[in-house]
Order: sequence, then structure tokens, then C-alpha cells
Amino acid sequence: VQLVQSGAEVKKPGASVRVSCRASGYSFTGFWIHWVRQAPGQGPEWMGWINPRNGRTKYGQKFQGRVTMTRDTSITTAYMDLTGLKSNDTATYYCAKEGGNGDYFFDFWGQGTPVTVSS
Amino acid sequence: QSVLTQPPSVSGTPGQSVTISCSGGRSNIKINSVNWYRQLPGTAPKLLIYSDDERPSGVPDRFSASKSATSASLAIRGLQSEDEADYYCAAWDDILNEYFFGTGTKVTVL
Repeated sequence: VQLVQSGAEVKKPGASVRVSCRASGYSFTGFWIHWVRQAPGQGPEWMGWINPRNGRTKYGQKFQGRVTMTRDTSITTAYMDLTGLKSNDTATYYCAKEGGNGDYFFDFWGQGTPVTVSS
Repeated sequence: QSVLTQPPSVSGTPGQSVTISCSGGRSNIKINSVNWYRQLPGTAPKLLIYSDDERPSGVPDRFSASKSATSASLAIRGLQSEDEADYYCAAWDDILNEYFFGTGTKVTVL
């Protein structure tokens, strides 16, 4: 199982960012993909999940209205779009595969994508 | 702000046992599974324990976990230098309808 994420991003306040997560080594549509971010020196923060089988999503309250999670099953890739970036969105963003749908434990993680928001 | 509280740090000497606590509430730990992750600097978290007390394949049996009421704990037996890392508990909260990671515990091997 591998989750390979896109590279580091530097964005200005107010901009948007898209992070991709290419999955391999397992049935992409069989397991939810979660997105977790971690600001420098802070603990992980859950952002939401997407069910790759049907595209259904659930977002954390803090991110509702700013985050969109999508997927392209033809290339087994999940995407996380975050709009209206602020300096406190500076963090490393991870995708993670859920071990069992709805069980909320993440058995494989991407390598992380650093996103820096700075003017 | 997390609903799961952990001690900021614990320490021990090689070979000792240490325990990390995770304090939550009736809407998270009491009724949902607790998972534990270990994170080395600059790397992604790694699943250590899932469903309260299950170890994924490849995780040594030096790591064990338990849960009682609104608290959970992770025990590391036979502490090794490679265990120096940040440890996080995590659980779903039914009232807030979100998944929370704990505040994190840094384990130091003296």
C-alpha cells in the first residue's frame, strides 16, 4: 500500500491550494480516504473524509465551506482543495487510508504535503 | 482544541515501562474506539493501536492499550531508544461529530 502526495506549496493569503494523493497497492474504492493536517509544533487535526466508491464526503466543522474533497477513480487519486487560505493554514497536510470504513483508524499515510501561506 | 487530554511528556530509562494516559468523555472514549499513533520527527503518524487494544501486524507486543469508562492508556514495555517520539490517542466524538487526536505526549528515553 502506498499513498503518494503532491509536492510542497507556497501560497498567498486568500489563495486556494489543491493537494493530491495517489493510492496504489489496494482497492482504492474499498476504503475511505481521510485528510489530516498538522501545523508546526502542533498535534494532528482531522479535516474530513471521502468515500472513493461514491464520492460521499464528511468535513470537520472548522473546514466546512472552505474544503472540498474529491476523487478520480480512474487514476486512484484523491484531492483536497482548501480555499481562502490564511496564515494559520500553514501546515503539513496528510492523506490517510482508513483501515475499515467508519472505524476511523488510519493504517497507511501519505508522506505529507507542506503548505506555507505567507504574503 | 482537543477533547482528548494527554500528559505533555513522560520519560523512562531503557528497559523500563511507561504508560501514557488519554482522558476523554462520555461522547468519545466511553462509546467509541480509541486508536493510538506514534510520530517520529518529520514523518507521518504511524498506527500503533486500533479498536481500543488491537495491534496492527508488525507492531511489537511491547505496546499494549486499554480503556476504562472515559479514559484510555497506552503502555510501552521494555522502553527502547527508538520509542522516543510523540504519541497521540484519537477517537470519534458523537456530540461534536468529529474525529479528535489527543493533545499528544512526548516520550523521552533517558
